[in-house]
Amino acid sequence: DVKVTQSSRYLVKRTGEKVFLECVQDMDHENMFWYRQDPGLGLRLIYFSYDVKMKEKGDIPEGYSVSREKKERFSLILESASTNQTSMYLCASSRTSLGDYEQYFGPGTRLTVT
Amino acid sequence: AQSVTQPDIHITVSEGASLELRCNYSYGATPYLFWYVQSPGQGLQLLLKYFSGDTLVQGIKGFEAEFKRSQSSFNLRKPSVHWSDAAEYFCAVAGYSGGGADGLTFGKGTHLIIQP
Repeated sequence: DVKVTQSSRYLVKRTGEKVFLECVQDMDHENMFWYRQDPGLGLRLIYFSYDVKMKEKGDIPEGYSVSREKKERFSLILESASTNQTSMYLCASSRTSLGDYEQYFGPGTRLTVT
Repeated sequence: AQSVTQPDIHITVSEGASLELRCNYSYGATPYLFWYVQSPGQGLQLLLKYFSGDTLVQGIKGFEAEFKRSQSSFNLRKPSVHWSDAAEYFCAVAGYSGGGADGLTFGKGTHLIIQP
């Protein structure tokens, strides 16, 4: 079974703090993704990565950065957290092989910024 | 750029009744389509996917979906719902470039309520 784990289920941070959200997958997948989920907006892609040290902006990258130093780990960084970044954050991974774009999701991290 | 529309924000169905959740997509090439389900407090679980071939796709938990290219639709169906089907349902389309998947574009979701 593919397993995607996220470091925290719930996180409370203060405005201006630097926040790290960690994601680890155990299936040697090339691609990893970060989404945020907000009520009425569905899931929106923040950043993704094809390979180690590679990163691409998604639809809403402003205020975020990412790091991928190892194939199995993909970190989302909020350089200076703001209240409008209060959200559910979901990590996912997938294989590169043509014809298989299924993404496997972690359980999510619910971040509250006060 | 691709997009996905789920026209129904909420749907209420009686237990044992049939279900159809609508999904329309916009994509320039052959789409890769998915339906995911999210139960309260849980991550997303894949119900089914369409890449090519037979346009009627069977998934887990008794769900099926039909790809209709002429209507740009990928509607999800179940002949008889159970109370445990109450959840949020997301339709998604995969974009891709030569290097791999570009991430999924999701609809805004349909919240399914099951009446006893």
